[in-house]
Parts: sequence; C-alpha cells; structure tokens
Amino acid sequence: KNEVEQSPQNLTAQEGEFITINCSYSVGISALHWLQQHPGGGIVSLFMLSSGKKKHGRLIATINIQEKHSSLHITASHPRDSAVYICAVPGSQGNLIFGKGTKLSVKP
Amino acid sequence: DAGITQSPRYKITETGRQVTLMCHQTWSHSYMFWYRQDLGHGLRLIYYSAAADITDKGEVPDGYVVSRSKTENFPLTLESATRSQTSVYFCASRTAPPTYEQYFGPGTRLTVT
Repeated sequence: KNEVEQSPQNLTAQEGEFITINCSYSVGISALHWLQQHPGGGIVSLFMLSSGKKKHGRLIATINIQEKHSSLHITASHPRDSAVYICAVPGSQGNLIFGKGTKLSVKP
Repeated sequence: DAGITQSPRYKITETGRQVTLMCHQTWSHSYMFWYRQDLGHGLRLIYYSAAADITDKGEVPDGYVVSRSKTENFPLTLESATRSQTSVYFCASRTAPPTYEQYFGPGTRLTVT
C-alpha cells in the first residue's frame, strides 16, 4: 500500500509570504492530486498532475516522479488561503490514498 | 442540483441505533466511494463501488454496510452505531479514464452519543 507523507502538519504564515507544502509517497504512481478543504467545508480538487508543473492563479504544483515527491506552492499568500491542503495518490481500488493534510493559517 | 449531494449534513444518534447516510450524484460516474475523516488519520476508505450492484470493502469497513441498486445512489448504513463511528463522512465519485478526477460531497458530520 502506498504511504503518503505530508510536511509540515501545521503552517502559519503572514499575508504575502511564499508558502511551500511537501508531499512524498512510497510507491510509483500515474498521477498525484492536491486537494483543499476549508474549515467546516467540503473537499475540492486543486490539481491532478503526472509530471512537471501546473499553475492555477497563485497556486503552483510540481512533481518529481523519480524522487516520488510533490510540492504545492502558494505565492503572495492571503488569509482566504487558510485551509487544509491534502495530497493524495491513486489506490488499487480506484480510490485515493490521502496524506494527513497540512493546516495552513495565513495571518493578515 | 448537479453534482454530488449528501444527507443529512449533521446527525446525532445514540449508541446501538441504525443510521443511514445518503449519497446522490448526477453525473452517472461508475465509481463511488465512502470515506471517513478523523483527526490524526486523515481520510480513509470505508467502501467503494465500481458500478451498480458491485461493491467492495475498503480499509475500514467494519460496522458499515453499503448498497448500490442505482448508479446515482450509494447509501452507507451503520448497522449499530458505536462512539468510534463519530466522524465526518464524505461520499465521492470518480470520472472515467484518463482523468480519474474525484469529486466529493459536502460531508455528513455524525455524532454517536
């Protein structure tokens, strides 16, 4: 079974800071997902990537398949970015296997 | 409404009672999943379904039962609720290849007293 590790578990930043969240996994995969969950809210997909880099607005996701590592970057962070960010990889049952999440708090 | 919905959104029940959580999707996705989310564990797979009338256990299936008589519905039943089943439950569905993107319902917060 694939093991997914995220770091850090908790992250506090000042508005405007550049943020990096890391994810590593133990077994080779075809694609990796980054998800966002706001407090008390549902889970939304931010990215699915299988190689290189993807960018949506201020969010950038990168993946290194050989090193089994992915990063999520947030540029010019804003308090509305405060959420839990979750990394996930495909499981053998068509499901996703999730990291435990990184709780981000951005202070004004 | 288009998308994936869950009901109820909040539920308080007593130990030993049977509870059913409902999940409905409008996309006709073949795959559907039930996950539970707990502090310190993240999201874990309870049951999944590859199509109508095809279901199988996930990582933490004990105490749960599912059915899928129609593609769009995937109810989860706690046969005799226990306090350890207090959790937030998410239903999800998945697109077909090659995207394999998962869409999540809003979640059901269940408290067992």
